[in-house]
Amino acid sequence: GNSVTQMEGPVTLSEEAFLTINCTYTATGYPSLFWYVQYPGEGLQLLLKATKADDKGSNKGFEATYRKETTSFHLEKGSVQVSDSAVYFCALSVGNFNKFYFGSGTKLNVKP
Amino acid sequence: EAQVTQNPRYLITVTGKKLTVTCSQNMNHEYMSWYRQDPGLGLRQIYYSMNVEVTDKGDVPEGYKVSRKEKRNFPLILESPSPNQTSLYFCASSTPRDRSTGELFFGEGSRLTVL
Repeated sequence: GNSVTQMEGPVTLSEEAFLTINCTYTATGYPSLFWYVQYPGEGLQLLLKATKADDKGSNKGFEATYRKETTSFHLEKGSVQVSDSAVYFCALSVGNFNKFYFGSGTKLNVKP
Repeated sequence: EAQVTQNPRYLITVTGKKLTVTCSQNMNHEYMSWYRQDPGLGLRQIYYSMNVEVTDKGDVPEGYKVSRKEKRNFPLILESPSPNQTSLYFCASSTPRDRSTGELFFGEGSRLTVL
């Protein structure tokens, strides 16, 4: 089946620290991979995406590379800010994009 | 302003009392979907709709109904709510083109508590 596994949170970092949030997946077929972000009290927003192996998605200083050999799509940022505090969801979709599968979310707390 | 609007945002109800959570989008999107968010489980898809009068089950449809009589509206109906349906619910919409890039537009969520 299709599923996404994320590292447990919360992750607490100091401002300007390096961030990694791990994400691995299983999929029937060739998935597209996504990271969504949920700020407090809001719905989810697409952060970045990658549609094929070795693609790197990037946005707002965040990056993730589609690794087919390790079935992973880890989220990274070189220097986090307090404003990055949110819940981050890894997700995948296969085929015609009617269904999306989300991980359990990882809460990031960034302290000044 | 382009948006997905859910109502109510918060609701406390009792077991067995029918309720409807409304979802409306003003972006003329063909695709709409409902998710529930539970701690440790992330978002799970309940139902989705490709267009008016076209709906299909997601991964956790039991206990829920939906309808799509108009393009802009996609209500979620709990005919006989139970405590295990206590959750945070999100509605999302998209176009085929946006969906292929992963772009789902989410509402702000509806927190439902069933006693």
